[in-house]
Amino acid sequence: RKEVEQDPGPFNVPEGATVAFNCTYSNSASQSFFWYRQDCRKEPKLLMSVYSSGNEDGRFTAQLNRASQYISLLIRDSKLSDSATYLCVVKGAQTGGSYIPTFGRGTSLIVHP
Amino acid sequence: EPEVTQTPSHQVTQMGQEVILRCVPISNHLYFYWYRQILGQKVEFLVSFYNNEISEKSEIFDDQFSVERPDGSNFTLKIRSTKLEDSAMYFCASSETWDMGEKLFFGSGTQLSVL
Repeated sequence: RKEVEQDPGPFNVPEGATVAFNCTYSNSASQSFFWYRQDCRKEPKLLMSVYSSGNEDGRFTAQLNRASQYISLLIRDSKLSDSATYLCVVKGAQTGGSYIPTFGRGTSLIVHP
Repeated sequence: EPEVTQTPSHQVTQMGQEVILRCVPISNHLYFYWYRQILGQKVEFLVSFYNNEISEKSEIFDDQFSVERPDGSNFTLKIRSTKLEDSAMYFCASSETWDMGEKLFFGSGTQLSVL
């Protein structure tokens, strides 16, 4: 099983739609979780950290489910500018005690008019 | 807002040549990283660096790779003898602490093309 796994998509949604992505991780000892956004051929940029109690930032909501070992990202009222690849990042994803941030492959979102 | 800067933005080289990719991390950050991303694939960890030494490295980071902090500001990645499969976008990143909640700040990357 891959350390950090995401559905690559693409998710093709109309403007205004609500869309959700999941990310699963294999190491139950993983400590910290993040969602990054990556535009085509650009660097990853932090979208939000994911806290145990769940957290919201405007139209974006992140959830953590430790029992099932997944995190989720919900985007409400999608905008054209939300089109990007969303990267799940987990610290402590690797067995053996490493806390290097490990990236999932990313989920591609395309928001169309 | 402070940022991580990388140079050059594009590097084209012949197979077997040495390349040095340069990064200037954010000035008060203490932890530095190199990641790479082959076209269409995920962002992969190469190496982390703290207190003038490598703290962790991946299987990708073999003897052909080395890192250095030659002065107080630059952080470099050297590939001694490039291979075709080294073609990728190389991202430098830095963080202020090693805290679990600490986020990484990425540079805009160097696109390396090995011909």
